[in-house]
Amino acid sequence: VQLVESGGGLVQPGKSLKLSCSASGFTFSSYGMHWIRQAPGKGLDWVAYISSSSGTVYADAVKGRFTISRDNAKNTLYLQLNSLKSEDTAIYYCARNWPFDYWGQGVMVTVSS
Amino acid sequence: DVVMTQTPPSLSVAIGQSVSISCKSSQSLVYSDGKTYLHWLLQSPGRSPKRLIYQVSNLGSGVPDRFSGTGSQKDFTLKISRVEAEDLGVYYCAQTTHFPPTFGAGTKLELK
Repeated sequence: VQLVESGGGLVQPGKSLKLSCSASGFTFSSYGMHWIRQAPGKGLDWVAYISSSSGTVYADAVKGRFTISRDNAKNTLYLQLNSLKSEDTAIYYCARNWPFDYWGQGVMVTVSS
Repeated sequence: DVVMTQTPPSLSVAIGQSVSISCKSSQSLVYSDGKTYLHWLLQSPGRSPKRLIYQVSNLGSGVPDRFSGTGSQKDFTLKISRVEAEDLGVYYCAQTTHFPPTFGAGTKLELK
């Protein structure tokens, strides 16, 4: 199992960013996937989940601003981040299924002017 | 949200020593199916988290049996017997019984 995140970077408040998580080593379409974030020097904070059938749920802090999606043909998970705030600054990890049995290496998102 | 309280925040250990980490939840973690969805993760320095134990006491794939988990309802413990250097890092408990999933603040295991 391998999960590789990409798409992070420095972005201004109010702007958008799209993260990707490329999956390999398992049947991606059969598994639900999560995004979990970790602010610098802080603990873990669950962000969103998408089921194998593409049902989605979100943390209150990101609901209406972030969108989780998947492309099973490309074995890729996405997180669209809109209306970014400074408090969204974090390492964003994708993780497989319940309960988080495999994690990617993470991608840094910095929201700053 | 369910609050997960871990103690202690940090531990200094010698190699070969045994240690325990406590995790208490603000609500019972027993789900309607009778199972308890309390899990333990380890984040080694500079690495992403790795799942160690799921549903209180089940070891993840490749996790050595020096690790064990016990507990019920709202009170859980991770025990590491004979700590090795590769065990150093931050341990997190996590619950997925209730929505949203929540994590403890972590326990940092350091070398004495």
